[in-house]
Amino acid sequence: GQQVMQIPQYQHVQEGEDFTTYCNSSTTLSNIQWYKQRPGGHPVFLIQLVKSGEVKKQKRLTFQFGEAKKNSSLHITATQTTDVGTYFCAGRGSGSARQLTFGSGTQLTVLP
Amino acid sequence: DAGVIQSPRHEVTEMGQEVTLRCKPISGHDYLFWYRQTMMRGLELLIYFNNNVPIDDSGMPEDRFSAKMPNASFSTLKIQPSEPRDSAVYFCASSPHWVLRGGNTGELFFGEGSRLTVL
Repeated sequence: GQQVMQIPQYQHVQEGEDFTTYCNSSTTLSNIQWYKQRPGGHPVFLIQLVKSGEVKKQKRLTFQFGEAKKNSSLHITATQTTDVGTYFCAGRGSGSARQLTFGSGTQLTVLP
Repeated sequence: DAGVIQSPRHEVTEMGQEVTLRCKPISGHDYLFWYRQTMMRGLELLIYFNNNVPIDDSGMPEDRFSAKMPNASFSTLKIQPSEPRDSAVYFCASSPHWVLRGGNTGELFFGEGSRLTVL
């Protein structure tokens, strides 16, 4: 079945440093979504990428979808303490495999 | 809109007891999903419904787990009998559309979760 791997599992950064999490799928995806879960909270949708090579920005967050539509990344510039949480990618398969499969998540800690 | 509503928020029970988790999706959403989150296994899809009909329950761990959606505004996830390894946070999520349609993202709206502890 479809597998979505996400690295790193944990990341500690000093406030102001950049952060990147990477997502890789075992199969080609029709689209990929990113979610953020604050400690003790629930996943909240951030964005969806659909097109090969697509790049989208939300303020300090930059999302990329690979050319082969099998990988994606989330980059945060100049992290702030409000960025703390776990970031999940979730890939949707193509063809008959339309389920949304979540990566294992990257837990971000921002040190003040 | 109040969002996806789950109850109870916390449940502590003893092994062997029956547990029922409840979910009210966002009005008008066609799809409802039950996820389980643990440190070891992350977010796992247990089952999902489309227009109240179960579509894929391949993620349900075993026969002790069952889910129903008697109408568009209510779903339950039942564990009987419960075991300590069932301890997890159970999330319900709903979506207006799952398959990309007319630009709709098919994003999932999660409830706040039900934290289950089985002693």
